[in-house]
Amino acid sequence: KQEVTQIPAALSVPEGENLVLNCSFTDSAIYNLQWFRQDPGKGLTSLLLIQSSQREQTSGRLNASLDKSSGRSTLYIAASQPGDSATYLCAAPAGGTSYGKLTFGQGTILTVHP
Amino acid sequence: DGGITQSPKYLFRKEGQNVTLSCEQNLNHDAMYWYRQDPGQGLRLIYYSQIVNDFQKGDIAEGYSVSREKKESFPLTVTSAQKNPTAFYLCASSISYRGGLFFGSGTQLSVL
Repeated sequence: KQEVTQIPAALSVPEGENLVLNCSFTDSAIYNLQWFRQDPGKGLTSLLLIQSSQREQTSGRLNASLDKSSGRSTLYIAASQPGDSATYLCAAPAGGTSYGKLTFGQGTILTVHP
Repeated sequence: DGGITQSPKYLFRKEGQNVTLSCEQNLNHDAMYWYRQDPGQGLRLIYYSQIVNDFQKGDIAEGYSVSREKKESFPLTVTSAQKNPTAFYLCASSISYRGGLFFGSGTQLSVL
């Protein structure tokens, strides 16, 4: 059974800082890993999808890496802004032949203050 | 604009009542999913469907039912057997098992 853990649970930083959010998973037989953003009371917005054959993906100020052998993924946010404040969730497939069934971490609540 | 539409945004259920949450997608995705989100807990999978007229139970299917009569639609019924239905319900879809998930904006269900 896949288990996903995110560290830290919460993070508060001043604007402009570069920061790293961590995600670990127990079953490394995954075909991809996905990072999401969730604003309060809203649905999830997909940020980055990393296929198992890739080591990283970039979108603007966001960079996500994937190390299957160690069961870890990191989300790097450069030059953080107050608009980045949200909950960040990582999700890995539940394992085996699961068809898109994702196991989610508890999330990291990020606050970027001016 | 392609996307996933969930309705209503807010829903209230009386004791003993069944309620249905709507989920429609125009992304031409094969697979659709229902997740439940409780405060302080991660998302948990209720049901998923890989193809029309077929669906499977997720981790917490008891007290819920679904149908998949059209590719675009995957409604979720919260039955009276679900004793703790208050939660935020999220519908998602994916083009294939290797594709990423795309989510709707959610429905907040509360008990009167």
